Amino acid sequence: DVKVTQSSRYLVKRTGEKVFLECVQDMDHENMFWYRQDPGLGLRLIYFSYDVKMKEKGDIPEGYSVSREKKERFSLILESASTNQTSMYLCASSSGPSGSRYEQYFGPGTRLTVT
Amino acid sequence: GNSVTQMEGPVTLSEEAFLTINCTYTATGYPSLFWYVQYPGEGLQLLLKATKADDKGSNKGFEATYRKETTSFHLEKGSVQVSDSAVYFCALRDTGRRALTFGSGTRLQVQP
Repeated sequence: DVKVTQSSRYLVKRTGEKVFLECVQDMDHENMFWYRQDPGLGLRLIYFSYDVKMKEKGDIPEGYSVSREKKERFSLILESASTNQTSMYLCASSSGPSGSRYEQYFGPGTRLTVT
Repeated sequence: GNSVTQMEGPVTLSEEAFLTINCTYTATGYPSLFWYVQYPGEGLQLLLKATKADDKGSNKGFEATYRKETTSFHLEKGSVQVSDSAVYFCALRDTGRRALTFGSGTRLQVQP
């Protein structure tokens, strides 16, 4: 079974702190994704990566950055956390090129609260 | 651009009732379509998918048919169980894209 793990299930941070969310997948997938999930808005794409050191902005990249130094690991960074970044963060991975029919596999999510 | 529209929830049903959750989409290419399910406290799991027009995806008693003429991918189940209570997300991946576009999700509550 594909496994996508995220470093924390729950995280509480203060406004202005730098926050790292880590994601690891064990299936040698090329693609990795960070989404945030908010009630009534579904999942919105923050960033994705299709290869080591390669990244592309998603629909809501402002206030976030990412890092992919190894194929299996994809980090989401909040440079200076703000209360409007309180949300559920979901990591996913998939294989295949653009338009592939392959599914995305999701981690369990990190619920981040910024106070 | 791409978009997915789902019916608003929550949808509340009694056990053994028939379920339909509507999903329509807008895409510029020839998308693949997916239904994901999220059980309480968990991440998303793929429920079923269809990759071309008229394909029917099915899994665990759930079905959805890719209708290009109506740009729809409605989720159905003939007899729901309490264990089906979850949030259901419709999603698409358009031609030339790696990421998914999701609908807002529909919460299903099944009462005994």
